[in-house]
Amino acid sequence: DQQVKQNSPSLSVQEGRISILNCDYTNSMFDYFLWYKKYPAEGPTFLISISSIKDKNEDGRFTVFLNKSAKHLSLHIVPSQPGDSAVYFCAATVQLHASGGSYIPTFGRGTSLIVHP
Amino acid sequence: DSGVTQTPKHLITATGQRVTLRCSPRSGDLSVYWYQQSLDQGLQFLIQYYNGEERAKGNILERFSAQQFPDLHSELNLSSLELGDSALYFCASSVGLAGVSGTGELFFGEGSRLTVL
Repeated sequence: DQQVKQNSPSLSVQEGRISILNCDYTNSMFDYFLWYKKYPAEGPTFLISISSIKDKNEDGRFTVFLNKSAKHLSLHIVPSQPGDSAVYFCAATVQLHASGGSYIPTFGRGTSLIVHP
Repeated sequence: DSGVTQTPKHLITATGQRVTLRCSPRSGDLSVYWYQQSLDQGLQFLIQYYNGEERAKGNILERFSAQQFPDLHSELNLSSLELGDSALYFCASSVGLAGVSGTGELFFGEGSRLTVL
């Protein structure tokens, strides 16, 4: 049962345009949502996150939007650059137990973004 | 460079064999996580250790085991290997149980690619 879903395996965008990557989740208990970026032959690297109490977080060209009622989040990249071409993973966390329990990110399957020059 | 070191980077072995994957976390990080990424799958959480103790368990098979040593490095042992165990195995680390700032931000190694023939 996939709790975090990225329904688009790939996305192709022209340089300078907006890239929108989408993610849906099923567990309403998730506390934080994160986006990771992965280049070939490298491990995923953290990109941006958002708390479940917020609806928007911005960091430079990257903005994450959260719609809790729809259990949906999206990552906007504006403007898109060829160096943004990578696989983007959506992830969500929930504290396993109260009082210092672990937060274990649950990942989606990823969306491969290709930005054409 | 995330500071997380995984060895070996590539490993080819036969069905029925046993292998050990090794991970050195970032300096100062007490928590180590293991994830498996099979073809076209997202990152599946296997197990987490914190300061030498197992703290959380995911979809880890009984044929797999892990441990974290006093120097904080971790090993993932995979035995009675099957073709379906072929995957990329990632190790990640964080300072505490909750990643950076409690969001679940982890630092990933480059992964160990296991091929079972």
